[in-house]
Amino acid sequence: AQSVTQLDSHVSVSEGTPVLLRCNYSSSYSPSLFWYVQHPNKGLQLLLKYTSAATLVKGINGFEAEFKKSETSFHLTKPSAHMSDAAEYFCVVSEDSNYQLIWGAGTKLIIKP
Amino acid sequence: GAVVSQHPSRVICKSGTSVKIECRSLDFQATTMFWYRQFPKQSLMLMATSNEGSKATYEQGVEKDKFLINHASLTLSTLTVTSAHPEDSSFYICSARDVRGYEQYFGPGTRLTVT
Repeated sequence: AQSVTQLDSHVSVSEGTPVLLRCNYSSSYSPSLFWYVQHPNKGLQLLLKYTSAATLVKGINGFEAEFKKSETSFHLTKPSAHMSDAAEYFCVVSEDSNYQLIWGAGTKLIIKP
Repeated sequence: GAVVSQHPSRVICKSGTSVKIECRSLDFQATTMFWYRQFPKQSLMLMATSNEGSKATYEQGVEKDKFLINHASLTLSTLTVTSAHPEDSSFYICSARDVRGYEQYFGPGTRLTVT
């Protein structure tokens, strides 16, 4: 069975410092992994996705994530946080066999000025 | 890019009434649409999977007679909350999967408040 664990419910960083949002998954098959961002009162936006190609995935707005099969992790990073990055971030796993998305609980990213 | 719209974005209704929420894929065809519910400060919960031309598949614990889903065309799915009660107040999000792939594209959500 698939599952996703986002290790931090809240992450607070200062503007201009690096961001790390942690995600671990479990999957019986070869998974696809996604990070979505949800800004207040706005729809979900896909940041990036891993689908068995390059393990280091670059997304929008300077975010990237690395798929590490040995660690079953897919952590999201950004070198320098911006105030506009403040939002809720969701790590999502999908097994190609059924395409259903399994959602993590979300991590709220807080950016301090 | 693939765009999914939802209408209305916000709705307030009285207890006992029914509310219909529309989900449209604007620039692609979607054989499958998904309906999610999101409680405050929580993750998305899949309610049902809607396939064009067939009955929706509901997740365990979701009342199919209360949450009626219709997927009449490749670009439109509707969710009707029947006899709404205050506990049905929530943020409802739909997504659509392109016929060619597996990625889901999300609508902006509908905030339902039942008074």
